[in-house]
Amino acid sequence: AQKITQTQPGMFVQEKEAVTLDCTYDTSDQSYGLFWYKQPSSGEMIFLIYQGSYDEQNATEGRYSLNFQKARKSANLVISASQLGDSAMYFCPNKFYFGSGTKLNVKP
Amino acid sequence: GAVVSQHPSWVICKSGTSVKIECRSLDFQATTMFWYRQFPKQSLMLMATSNEGSKATYEQGVEKDKFLINHASLTLSTLTVTSAHPEDSSFYICSAPTDRVGVTGELFFGEGSRLTVL
Repeated sequence: AQKITQTQPGMFVQEKEAVTLDCTYDTSDQSYGLFWYKQPSSGEMIFLIYQGSYDEQNATEGRYSLNFQKARKSANLVISASQLGDSAMYFCPNKFYFGSGTKLNVKP
Repeated sequence: GAVVSQHPSWVICKSGTSVKIECRSLDFQATTMFWYRQFPKQSLMLMATSNEGSKATYEQGVEKDKFLINHASLTLSTLTVTSAHPEDSSFYICSAPTDRVGVTGELFFGEGSRLTVL
């Protein structure tokens, strides 16, 4: 199985501030995709952002951006202007394998 | 985006009974679907890969006879928890890719099914 490492079990951020969630891959694939998902307490999985490993520019989707450093095999998620509704679990799977995730709590 | 529907959302059953969970791709054909199990406050653990027209591929440590998976058509995969026991209580969630999974294809998830075995 491909290994995914999310080193932050839990994170706190003040509302309206930016936060970075870490993710590193251990893969030998030459071409791969980087994905981030959000899982609120309701349990649904919500797709946030995608970037291909050969994409030259980091992906951005609204308040979400992906900071991809290929040599380090890291694909960190940056959430700008945090909102209370951002409180959730966040996952960066490698293909269909999920790491431990990061629990983000946004404080008012 | 593509839609995956999972049913039932909640199910409570008695110990020893079997429970079937359905996962349907509503607007695309899914030759592959993935079944996950998630314990409270933990990550998604891949149980098996469901393949249309062939046997499912189970992850190591997952009991094939306990968790029966059938991919009957290009839009339907089912997970049957046989002879359920309280330790099988969990959140089960399915997903399907529309493209090359992990390369260009994001995963579309069902709503999940919360199983409680009494």
